[in-house]
Amino acid sequence: NAGVTQTPKFQVLKTGQSMTLQCAQDMNHNSMYWYRQDPGMGLRLIYYSASEGTTDKGEVPNGYNVSRLNKREFSLRLESAAPSQTSVYFCASTLWWDSGANVLTFGAGSRLTVL
Amino acid sequence: RKEVEQDPGPFNVPEGATVAFNCTYSNSASQSFFWYRQDCRKEPKLLMSVYSSGNEDGRFTAQLNRASQYISLLIRDSKLSDSATYLCVVNGANAGKSTFGDGTTLTVKP
Repeated sequence: NAGVTQTPKFQVLKTGQSMTLQCAQDMNHNSMYWYRQDPGMGLRLIYYSASEGTTDKGEVPNGYNVSRLNKREFSLRLESAAPSQTSVYFCASTLWWDSGANVLTFGAGSRLTVL
Repeated sequence: RKEVEQDPGPFNVPEGATVAFNCTYSNSASQSFFWYRQDCRKEPKLLMSVYSSGNEDGRFTAQLNRASQYISLLIRDSKLSDSATYLCVVNGANAGKSTFGDGTTLTVKP
């Protein structure tokens, strides 16, 4: 199994450009997430999708939009990139159930630089 | 105050040492707890879940203290390969509430 696949792995943008990060999982997970990680810091949740058809804001949603395309795919879009969005972006998924030990599986990360 | 707090370290220890990390959380309704390991520039990976009764996996022991709202990770007989950042993760009741600590960096030296 591939697990969680993110594309692209690396991207350099100019300020104001737009781009979409793609994420797909093949584990039949219901919940998917986008995190960002800045140097020396932990992961901060940008948006999540608890199940197909729903999306919700996380801790740092400003400047981003998401689409849960189907159960497998969850994309993150930067409409007008800013240098503050330079970061490593991780997609994750889990089979979330109440009171369950909901372990996240992560993609390999997408390293984005905004000049 | 952050929801999940960890001592950032760094912890620099010799091979064979025993090292312990602590993590505190603020939400008493938190439901499940984990330690993840993150190698430099890689994705986090589950190290172990943390159960109320405490649990052990080889050289690693995790403990949960709900009354004091902290979890711990003990690594015995440290190996060079244990060098990494260890992330404490606390899950709430709904699907969006996996909160990460900022991580504790461990370097094991020969």
